[in-house]
Amino acid sequence: GDSVTQMEGPVTLSEEAFLTINCTYTATGYPSLFWYVQYPGEGLQLLLKATKADDKGSNKGFEATYRKETTSFHLEKGSVQVSDSAVYFCALSGSSNYKLTFGKGTLLTVNP
Amino acid sequence: EAGVAQSPRYKIIEKRQSVAFWCNPISGHATLYWYQQILGQGPKLLIQFQNNGVVDDSQLPKDRFSAERLKGVDSTLKIQPAKLEDSAVYLCASSLGVGRNYNEQFFGPGTRLTVL
Repeated sequence: GDSVTQMEGPVTLSEEAFLTINCTYTATGYPSLFWYVQYPGEGLQLLLKATKADDKGSNKGFEATYRKETTSFHLEKGSVQVSDSAVYFCALSGSSNYKLTFGKGTLLTVNP
Repeated sequence: EAGVAQSPRYKIIEKRQSVAFWCNPISGHATLYWYQQILGQGPKLLIQFQNNGVVDDSQLPKDRFSAERLKGVDSTLKIQPAKLEDSAVYLCASSLGVGRNYNEQFFGPGTRLTVL
C-alpha cells in the first residue's frame, strides 16, 4: 500500500538558518504530494502541493519539488523564522482513491 | 468562507463509556473524512464519505466505531465502548470531491479525546 517516510525530528534551528525536511514515498501510479503544517494549538493547514512529476510547490518561502525518479518531495526554506516553529507533515493522495496518507510528522523549533 | 467546524474541542471519558463527535464541513463540499491522530503520529484515515455514501471505511474498527452522514452534510463519529488506546485527536476534513483537481482537503481544529 501507499506509504510516506519523513525525516525524524525534532529539528532545532536558529533564526535565518536553512531548512530541509526529507520526505520519500511509496505509491502506485501518479500520486499528488502535499506538505501540511500544524502550528501549536491549531489544526492542519495545507502548506503546498504538487500534482505531477517535476512540479514545484511553493508558499510562504517554502518549496518542494516532486521528484518521481527518487520518489521524494523534500521541503526546503532558505531562511526560517521563529514563527515557522510547528509540526510539518508530508502526505500523498493516491491516484485511485485520493485518500491522504501521512508521514509521522517532523517537529521544527526555531530559536531567536 | 467558514471553515470545517468540529465539536466538542475536548472530551475526557472513562473506558467503556460512549462518546460522539460532530463535524460540519465547508458548504458545498461533497467529500468528508474522519482521521485519527495518535500523539506523535500522522493522521490515519478512519472513514471517507462521498455525499452520504461511504467510500472507504477499511481502517474503521467497526466493532466499536460508527459514523454517519445522513443528509450528505454534517457527520457524527461515535465510539462505543471506548478503550484506552482510543485516546487521540479526531480530525474532520472536507473537500469539493475526489479527483486530482478537487481533492484538496481542509481540516477542522479536531477533538482531543482522553480515555481514562
